[in-house]
Amino acid sequence: RKEVEQDPGPFNVPEGATVAFNCTYSNSASQSFFWYRQDCRKEPKLLMSVYSSGNEDGRFTAQLNRASQYISLLIRDSKLSDSATYLCVVNRVDSSYKLIFGSGTRLLVRP
Amino acid sequence: DAMVIQNPRYQVTQFGKPVTLSCSQTLNHNVMYWYQQKSSQAPKLLFHYYDKDFNNEADTPDNFQSRRPNTSFCFLDIRSPGLGDAAMYLCATSRSAQLAGGSDTQYFGPGTRLTVL
Repeated sequence: RKEVEQDPGPFNVPEGATVAFNCTYSNSASQSFFWYRQDCRKEPKLLMSVYSSGNEDGRFTAQLNRASQYISLLIRDSKLSDSATYLCVVNRVDSSYKLIFGSGTRLLVRP
Repeated sequence: DAMVIQNPRYQVTQFGKPVTLSCSQTLNHNVMYWYQQKSSQAPKLLFHYYDKDFNNEADTPDNFQSRRPNTSFCFLDIRSPGLGDAAMYLCATSRSAQLAGGSDTQYFGPGTRLTVL
């Protein structure tokens, strides 16, 4: 079982749609959670950290369910510019400095 | 205002010909990382430096080496590139502060895309 698992997609949605991605992680001791965005042939960029209480940044909402060990990302009112791969990231329990990346979920927003 | 800079952005080398990729940062972060990312795969950590302390991942081939001469710079040396080493190489940095046992955010450079002929 992979340490961080994501549905690879692609999710193909029209502009204005709401789309949700889920991610599961295997180690219940993980403490830090992030969503990164990666455009084609570019580097990953931090989209948002994920906090236990859930957090929102504009059209983006992230939630953490520790009991079920999954993280979600909700994107409302999708824009063409949201088309990218979204990487779920969890810290490695054996080292505070290391992160484990999921393979990413690809989102395509069409006009 | 680039914070993590990688050079070159594109590197073409021949099979077996050594190559060096460079990374510099203006964030004054203590930790620097090198990742390898192949198409449609997750970034794979090769090694990292915490200050001058080098930490190799157990499954990183000996063909990959790294140097960190000072806080700002870190180099990735591939001694004898094979066709399977063609990938995007990403440098990242983070602060050393631990957050309640968790991890700090990592900031990535734009990457170097390596082609091996």
